[in-house]
Amino acid sequence: EAQVTQNPRYLITVTGKKLTVTCSQNMNHEYMSWYRQDPGLGLRQIYYSMNVEVTDKGDVPEGYKVSRKEKRNFPLILESPSPNQTSLYFCASSVGWDNEQFFGPGTRLTVL
Amino acid sequence: GQQLNQSPQSMFIQEGEDVSMNCTSSSIFNTWLWYKQEPGEGPVLLIALYKAGELTSNGRLTAQFGITRKDSFLNISASIPSDVGIYFCAGQEAGTYKYIFGTGTRLKVLA
Repeated sequence: EAQVTQNPRYLITVTGKKLTVTCSQNMNHEYMSWYRQDPGLGLRQIYYSMNVEVTDKGDVPEGYKVSRKEKRNFPLILESPSPNQTSLYFCASSVGWDNEQFFGPGTRLTVL
Repeated sequence: GQQLNQSPQSMFIQEGEDVSMNCTSSSIFNTWLWYKQEPGEGPVLLIALYKAGELTSNGRLTAQFGITRKDSFLNISASIPSDVGIYFCAGQEAGTYKYIFGTGTRLKVLA
């Protein structure tokens, strides 16, 4: 089944404790993206990747890192999480940069 | 960063009514897409638009890519209870590879 998977689905952590949210797609998509969703603000793009080893900042990249060592994986790294990073995070992928994006199920992160 | 202005923010309608929502941008977009999000899930694509002036239908849904490339609308005809959800417009600003989303329209349908 073609899909985007994210892990974990739920995470509660404390300020400053490094964490990684994994994202994997099995559709051989080139473009991958991370978003955060906050009430009243819709989805805001954090980082995107056009292809392996090619990543760039979205609109809200501060406090986040990403890597794209393999085409199928695009992990989101929070080196030192803070409470304002409490949010619902979505990973997405698409064939190309201007195509329909397929979204993962979301990761709800709480930073205490 | 830029966000798309989407309106209305929320709508409560009776089953069978038509619905219209729209998105505007201060800059030109190359693509406009409309997504629906249901509770606990990620957004799912409804309609994609790639050319200025394009009018596309998907069942009871119709969307248009504005001629100025700075706006788009989505219409839902004869609404049904399963239309409930949050509708987002999204697109790619000309000259960038970023995806930008609207703030969403929360739709509730009263049976």
